Amino acid sequence: DAGITQSPRYKITETGRQVTLMCHQTWSHSYMFWYRQDLGHGLRLIYYSAAADITDKGEVPDGYVVSRSKTENFPLTLESATRSQTSVYFCASSEGPGREQYFGPGTRLTVT
Amino acid sequence: GQNIDQPTEMTATEGAIVQINCTYQTSGFNGLFWYQQHAGEAPTFLSYNVLDGLEEKGRFSSFLSRSKGYSYLLLKELQMKDSASYLCAVRAYSGGGADGLTFGKGTHLIIQP
Repeated sequence: DAGITQSPRYKITETGRQVTLMCHQTWSHSYMFWYRQDLGHGLRLIYYSAAADITDKGEVPDGYVVSRSKTENFPLTLESATRSQTSVYFCASSEGPGREQYFGPGTRLTVT
Repeated sequence: GQNIDQPTEMTATEGAIVQINCTYQTSGFNGLFWYQQHAGEAPTFLSYNVLDGLEEKGRFSSFLSRSKGYSYLLLKELQMKDSASYLCAVRAYSGGGADGLTFGKGTHLIIQP
């Protein structure tokens, strides 16, 4: 049972390219989240989803797009990558509001 | 908006006790989480407080005072493996359904022999 996985684990891309980060969970958790973690800022919420086909913006959504057609998947797309989007991206899932969030291993993205 | 403050770094001795404080200002408070994060790894859940008081779980305890906007994480019988960052995170009900968490910047705890 893999739990929650992210792919790729490491990615280097160029400015202006489109990049999609994948997140997959095997628990059938309703809620899924995308965070980015940067030195000096801590973890910041990008987008979250309460169920399939329901998504909402977090604190820093600009430049990102999400979709959730299936409960187990929650991909994050950078439509036109910028250097400021260089970061470590964590996906998380939980059974519901107020429940502990389980984090994936993270994707380290570098935009050159 | 929400604001969460915790010390940037703390140092403690193996076998001792350390208290990591977290203060927050938020509207619609609906719970406070503590996570542990080792360098290069994902955060892992430690505790959750939604009501005032102390929650104890083995060597780790967490306290919440909603009226003071204050929480602390208490680690007892410190071990070298406790060297990590400790993240305070607040859940605030936005009225639009489930929220993600707002995290503090984390406290880097260094355990010395």
